[in-house]
Amino acid sequence: QSALTQPRSVSGSPGQSVAISCTGTSSDVGGYNYVSWYQQHPGKVPKLMIYDVSERPSGVPDRFSGSKSGNTASLTISGLHAEDEADYYCCSYAGSYTLAFGGGTKLTVL
Amino acid sequence: EVQLVESGGGLVQPGGSLRLSCAASGFTFSNYWMHWVRQAPGKGLVWVSRINSDGRSIGYADSVKGRFTISRDNAKNTLYLQMNSLRAEDTAVYYCARGPVGHYFDYWGQGSLVTVSS
Repeated sequence: QSALTQPRSVSGSPGQSVAISCTGTSSDVGGYNYVSWYQQHPGKVPKLMIYDVSERPSGVPDRFSGSKSGNTASLTISGLHAEDEADYYCCSYAGSYTLAFGGGTKLTVL
Repeated sequence: EVQLVESGGGLVQPGGSLRLSCAASGFTFSNYWMHWVRQAPGKGLVWVSRINSDGRSIGYADSVKGRFTISRDNAKNTLYLQMNSLRAEDTAVYYCARGPVGHYFDYWGQGSLVTVSS
C-alpha cells in the first residue's frame, strides 16, 4: 500500500475557510467512498471527524465537511477556530482488506 | 463509556518478539471490527492490521505481513497483536481502534509504546 498524499501544512486566520486535500489513486480514494478524516492535537489520541467521504459523526461541528472528486478527497473547515489547530490525517480503504493513511497535514490558525 | 486499554509494550531487541493486548469495555466487543494503527515518534499515522468481528477476515499492511499476527478473544473482550522479527523501524506507539465497519475508526485507545533497540 502507498501512503496517500496530503500537503504538509496549511494555514488560515480565524473565521476563514481552509481545505486539506488527500490524493490517492483509483485503487484507493478513487475506487471507494470509504475516506475518513482524523484530527490529532499534540500528545493526544486521534479523533474521527469525517467518515464515508462526507458523513459527520455526532458531536463534530458542522464547520467540518468532506468531499471527493476522482482520486482526491478534501476536508474543508469553515469559520476557523483557534482550537482547530492540529494535525489532520485522511484514510482510505485500499482494497485487499487493507487501509492507507495520508502523511498528515499540520493546520496552523494564524 | 467505550474504553480501549492497550498493554504489553516495552523495549525489545531487534529480532525479538512482543505481544500487545487491547482490553475493550463499554460496548459489545464481538459486534465490531478492530484495528491496530501505529505512530512512530514525531511521524504520521500508519495502519497496521484489522480483524472483523468473528476473526475470519484479516488484513495486514505490507510492512508487517508475515511478521505480525492479529487475533481476538471475544469471550475476553480482548484484541491482540503478536509481533515477531521486530525491526528498529517498528518503533512506535501502537493504538488499538474500534471500527463500526472495516474502513474507519470511531474510538481509539491511549496507545502502547514499542521500542526496538539494542
